Amino acid sequence: GAGVSQTPSNKVTEKGKYVELRCDPISGHTALYWYRQSLGQGPEFLIYFQGTGAADDSGLPNDRFFAVRPEGSVSTLKIQRTERGDSAVYLCASSWGGGNEQFFGPGTRLTVL
Amino acid sequence: AQSVTQPDIHITVSEGASLELRCNYSYGATPYLFWYVQSPGQGLQLLLKYFSGDTLVQGIKGFEAEFKRSQSSFNLRKPSVHWSDAAEYFCAVVQGGTALIFGKGTTLSVSS
Repeated sequence: GAGVSQTPSNKVTEKGKYVELRCDPISGHTALYWYRQSLGQGPEFLIYFQGTGAADDSGLPNDRFFAVRPEGSVSTLKIQRTERGDSAVYLCASSWGGGNEQFFGPGTRLTVL
Repeated sequence: AQSVTQPDIHITVSEGASLELRCNYSYGATPYLFWYVQSPGQGLQLLLKYFSGDTLVQGIKGFEAEFKRSQSSFNLRKPSVHWSDAAEYFCAVVQGGTALIFGKGTTLSVSS
């Protein structure tokens, strides 16, 4: 595809439920990043993949958050036992290797009721 | 840890007037610095970046930024603002060679 795509664009769930957010990076990009943007804030780093492995997961807020990238392309961010404080826009970005220009997707807006 | 400060939460500029958005960073070594723009419902778009070399960098849409090590600043400028420039602007620095650390953003409004 032409750019990074993310699905769904909007997700509404209830407190305590499990959600999965998907990211399709630009074809050929080896690096993939997840960020979270709360209202009125800049994006905050969550996790960085180089290929299939998580090279840096220092931004994940707690063990309810987990992300995978099993084939080195599509990535899924998984949130267990969602809380109202998890409500935010989740952004995905990809690049030609770590440290290069990151291209961002449109984001998934998660609302936890 | 690295950090980025954007002192102005909201700025209003008249169409055709010049613009300067401030950004200060905290980083020990030579930073990799970026400016992104985010329009409502749109993803983040890179305006320009500084890695090394000439401290005045040109970007897309007529924007430029100047890296000043002595002031730990990377301010964004545009000589003549258009109504379509109304958006949120984020300054960012690379941490650990990979993750971007963003400021809280500056919302730009353009008045006619």
